[in-house]
Amino acid sequence: EPEVTQTPSHQVTQMGQEVILRCVPISNHLYFYWYRQILGQKVEFLVSFYNNEISEKSEIFDDQFSVERPDGSNFTLKIRSTKLEDSAMYFCASSVGDGYTFGSGTRLTVV
Amino acid sequence: DQQVKQNSPSLSVQEGRISILNCDYTNSMFDYFLWYKKYPAEGPTFLISISSIKDKNEDGRFTVFLNKSAKHLSLHIVPSQPGDSAVYFCAASGDYGQNFVFGPGTRLSVLP
Repeated sequence: EPEVTQTPSHQVTQMGQEVILRCVPISNHLYFYWYRQILGQKVEFLVSFYNNEISEKSEIFDDQFSVERPDGSNFTLKIRSTKLEDSAMYFCASSVGDGYTFGSGTRLTVV
Repeated sequence: DQQVKQNSPSLSVQEGRISILNCDYTNSMFDYFLWYKKYPAEGPTFLISISSIKDKNEDGRFTVFLNKSAKHLSLHIVPSQPGDSAVYFCAASGDYGQNFVFGPGTRLSVLP
């Protein structure tokens, strides 16, 4: 069964550093998403991406965040200057129709 | 402002019995709803969906009911199995399948 692959599974970074979270969506999917889940809280929408541009973003997705699909297969989330409150599980998802397929997530720990 | 609510943070059910997970929403523009299951250390897994033109959708042991007037949906799992133990998220969309809003989740424990 096709999978959405996320790397790394766990990333520890110092506050103020830049991190890039990587995702390989399912190859025939057209819509791509990032979600996050802070420990003990609900899954929150960050951004959706279609046709090489952001189609929607939430209030969480401020100027420190950016997304890119650099080579037609990878879909990355960059956090420019990480804050302690960015510590969370970050889920990538892709979709072609009914429902999303999520990756297994990257746990980001900002220290 | 929580647009999608799952008021029971946890639920315990005996194996073989019915599990009923509830979800309420406030935005009348939502027209598409999904249930996801999530195991620890894994991403959410799509279970079942329903659009606002229907009031019931069934897939094997899983049935989702939608009551638009009450802005309420529920997921029924019959019979419940220990492998169903997970966190269940309700999600809603107002643009038919894009950009979902997730509820906070309900942790289901199916006891053998």
